[in-house]
Amino acid sequence: QLVLTQSPSASASLGASVKLTCTLSSGHSSYAIAWHQQQPEKGPRYLMKVNNDGSHTKGDGIPDRFSGSSSGAERYLTISSLQSEDEADYYCQTWSTGIRVFGGGTKLTVL
Amino acid sequence: EVQLVETGGGLIQPGGSLSLSCAASGFTVTNNYMSWVRQAPGKGLEWVAIIYSGGSTYYADSVKGRFTISRDNSKNTLYLQMNSLRAEDTAVYHCAREPRDGSGYFDFWGQGTLVTVSS
Repeated sequence: QLVLTQSPSASASLGASVKLTCTLSSGHSSYAIAWHQQQPEKGPRYLMKVNNDGSHTKGDGIPDRFSGSSSGAERYLTISSLQSEDEADYYCQTWSTGIRVFGGGTKLTVL
Repeated sequence: EVQLVETGGGLIQPGGSLSLSCAASGFTVTNNYMSWVRQAPGKGLEWVAIIYSGGSTYYADSVKGRFTISRDNSKNTLYLQMNSLRAEDTAVYHCAREPRDGSGYFDFWGQGTLVTVSS
């Protein structure tokens, strides 16, 4: 079964960096994923697609502070130079024929 | 500019029916894979249904047999017909677009419309 696992919460200080993790279920370690950001009271926003080789394709207007990487079954979203507006929920998402799957989301707090 | 605007949400009694619309602009809905994704209050995102550019449709097990996704090319609009609604269907419903190559990820989202199922 295709499942994505995320830590429920993360925190980091203003101006620091944070690395969020999304883990693919067993047997699905080659899958690409996408990261989406949802700020409070807003709709989700596409950030980037991360392939299993670590290459990533960002959405329009996504700052260079956001980057993606990969290792085995794990896919990462790194946000550097954290700003207050980065405080949001971050969801990873993947896909197969006839199905789309989300991770449970990580709530990022900027201290 | 790509825009997705959902309408049709509201308060509905359990067992009732509701139809949601997603008006698209900046692209043609029949050229892209389109999905509905919902978010229950205080919860995460849950994929609901998808319609491929070729017309094939797929549903999450939680809504299969009750919900129907469709589109109207002339109105450039995506729809979700929801029947036999349950309390657990209460959520904000977003429509979402995938790139034209059917890559599988959502590159544009709507703001959502709230559906509340309650007596």
